[in-house]
Amino acid sequence: SQQGEEDPQALSIQEGENATMNCSYKTSINNLQWYRQNSGRGLVHLILIRSNEREKHSGRLRVTLDTSKKSSSLLITASRAADTASYFCATLTPSNYKLTFGKGTLLTVNP
Amino acid sequence: DVKVTQSSRYLVKRTGEKVFLECVQDMDHENMFWYRQDPGLGLRLIYFSYDVKMKEKGDIPEGYSVSREKKERFSLILESASTNQTSMYLCASSSPADRNSPLHFGNGTRLTVT
Repeated sequence: SQQGEEDPQALSIQEGENATMNCSYKTSINNLQWYRQNSGRGLVHLILIRSNEREKHSGRLRVTLDTSKKSSSLLITASRAADTASYFCATLTPSNYKLTFGKGTLLTVNP
Repeated sequence: DVKVTQSSRYLVKRTGEKVFLECVQDMDHENMFWYRQDPGLGLRLIYFSYDVKMKEKGDIPEGYSVSREKKERFSLILESASTNQTSMYLCASSSPADRNSPLHFGNGTRLTVT
């Protein structure tokens, strides 16, 4: 069963611009995580935000979490061509401690 | 850094064959997972294991089985491969010490069943 859903499905921007991706989910969570996947490769963990946190930063990444709206956003500032990848949100639910992934946002950063 | 190694990047098998996908991690992680990834469907959990010789079904276990004889190795088995099992298979591991620990993924095995 799909828990998280990313929006938009695809995003194309110019180098230097900011990229914002959103994730909505359905049930209560322990944490929400964002992963990046370069074409044809495995996923790489980017950042984790716990259910009692509202905002978190890591380098050029900023994640927000609104548990009342069951949504999260990932902001990548000053994007680079190397940021071109698919980005997935994943939620950990308290009932079963399984991590459930969304379908991803394909980000293309044009040089 | 944690390293999760999947034995094959690409695999082509025939319908009806028994297929073994191998995954090894080098960080002494208790938790290991098998996902499949398909266009438009995202990642779906097939099986996972929290300890040696322990396994639990994920969301789509039908047609698959797993083996965890050693802590570092988690194998996914397709008893009789079918064309609808053509997919990208991703193995991952994590430490249970903290429920908030992230997953570490291998580079995936792209399986084609003809």
